[in-house]
Amino acid sequence: GQSLEQPSEVTAVEGAIVQINCTYQTSGFYGLSWYQQHDGGAPTFLSYNALDGLEETGRFSSFLSRSDSYGYLLLQELQMKDSASYFCAVRDLGGGSQGNLIFGKGTKLSVKP
Amino acid sequence: KAGVTQTPRYLIKTRGQQVTLSCSPISGHRSVSWYQQTPGQGLQFLFEYFSETQRNKGNFPGRFSGRQFSNSRSEMNVSTLELGDSALYLCASSPVTGEETQYFGPGTRLLVL
Repeated sequence: GQSLEQPSEVTAVEGAIVQINCTYQTSGFYGLSWYQQHDGGAPTFLSYNALDGLEETGRFSSFLSRSDSYGYLLLQELQMKDSASYFCAVRDLGGGSQGNLIFGKGTKLSVKP
Repeated sequence: KAGVTQTPRYLIKTRGQQVTLSCSPISGHRSVSWYQQTPGQGLQFLFEYFSETQRNKGNFPGRFSGRQFSNSRSEMNVSTLELGDSALYLCASSPVTGEETQYFGPGTRLLVL
């Protein structure tokens, strides 16, 4: 089956750097996505890695190692508004023509002043 | 461009009742996916519709059903509600099926008493 593991909670201070890891087990693999969800809000797409390496988008970067079935989201220069839950997701290729997204349980990031 | 809209935003039902939730995707998007979000299970895929056809279905009982109309709007129905159906129901749209970037609506929070 498909499964994704990520830490349940992470705490960091404003201005710091934090890394949220995600390991996955899938029967097939297209790529790894990351979503952000603030309390009471809708998940919003952050990034997608299909190839190994680091993808940078402003203060956020995402990394993928296909050989290790591992990825991470790196948040730099943390701001209070970054306090949210972060989900990694992969596409389930076990059934269906295109597969549906499988999400990790989410990592709740708390940024302290 | 308007985002994904969901109605109603909040709903209280009692066990045994049925409920219909509505989702209007971003204009031009033809794929609509539904997810159930609970604190214990996280984000779980319910089903995806594309061009009025169900493309994928998650591991949920037959009480959960959906449909998509020719204008891409989608509805999901839950019959014979159970206490465990209390959750945030999110829909997400994308231009076509299989897209990694999903645009989520604000969700419908359902409470079953």
